[in-house]
Amino acid sequence: AQSVTQLGSHVSVSEGALVLLRCNYSSSVPPYLFWYVQYPNQGLQLLLKYTTGATLVKGINGFEAEFKKSETSFHLTKPSAHMSDAAEYFCAVTYNQGGKLIFGQGTELSVKP
Amino acid sequence: KAGVTQTPRYLIKTRGQQVTLSCSPISGHRSVSWYQQTPGQGLQFLFEYFSETQRNKGNFPGRFSGRQFSNSRSEMNVSTLELGDSALYLCASSGVGTSGLMGETQYFGPGTRLLVL
Repeated sequence: AQSVTQLGSHVSVSEGALVLLRCNYSSSVPPYLFWYVQYPNQGLQLLLKYTTGATLVKGINGFEAEFKKSETSFHLTKPSAHMSDAAEYFCAVTYNQGGKLIFGQGTELSVKP
Repeated sequence: KAGVTQTPRYLIKTRGQQVTLSCSPISGHRSVSWYQQTPGQGLQFLFEYFSETQRNKGNFPGRFSGRQFSNSRSEMNVSTLELGDSALYLCASSGVGTSGLMGETQYFGPGTRLLVL
């Protein structure tokens, strides 16, 4: 069965530091990959997605992610954390656009002043 | 275009009751999916509807059901509520988003938070 693993349920960084949130998926078929962010008491907002083509994907709010097929990874990065980045982040995978999303367990990002 | 809307936003029910949640997709989107979010199980797929037909289904008991109308609006129903049904229920519609920047993908509503007492 397909699965998504997010390493680290909680990540804490200082404001201005690099953000790195890890995501690995299990699949023998290249999937479509997504990162979503969830602020308290809100739904999920799409940060970025990978479908085909360029493996480095740029998203909103300065986030980007790189698809590495050999490592089955899709880690999310941001060069400089901002206080407003504090939220929960979910990595997700699907095998047909618009289809069933399989989510990781989420990583809560804290940003210290 | 307006985003995905869900009503009601909050709901309190007691065990044994039933509940109906509503979702209006982004205009022009024909696919609607439902997800359950709990602290213990995370985000889990319930079902997907496309053009009024259930196209995909997750591993939930038959107490969970849904439907989609000709205008793409969708409802999900949970009968005989259990304490474990307390969750945030998220609806997502698939298509091009309101800004057009992300292309075709799933866009989520704010969710309905259900508390079962």
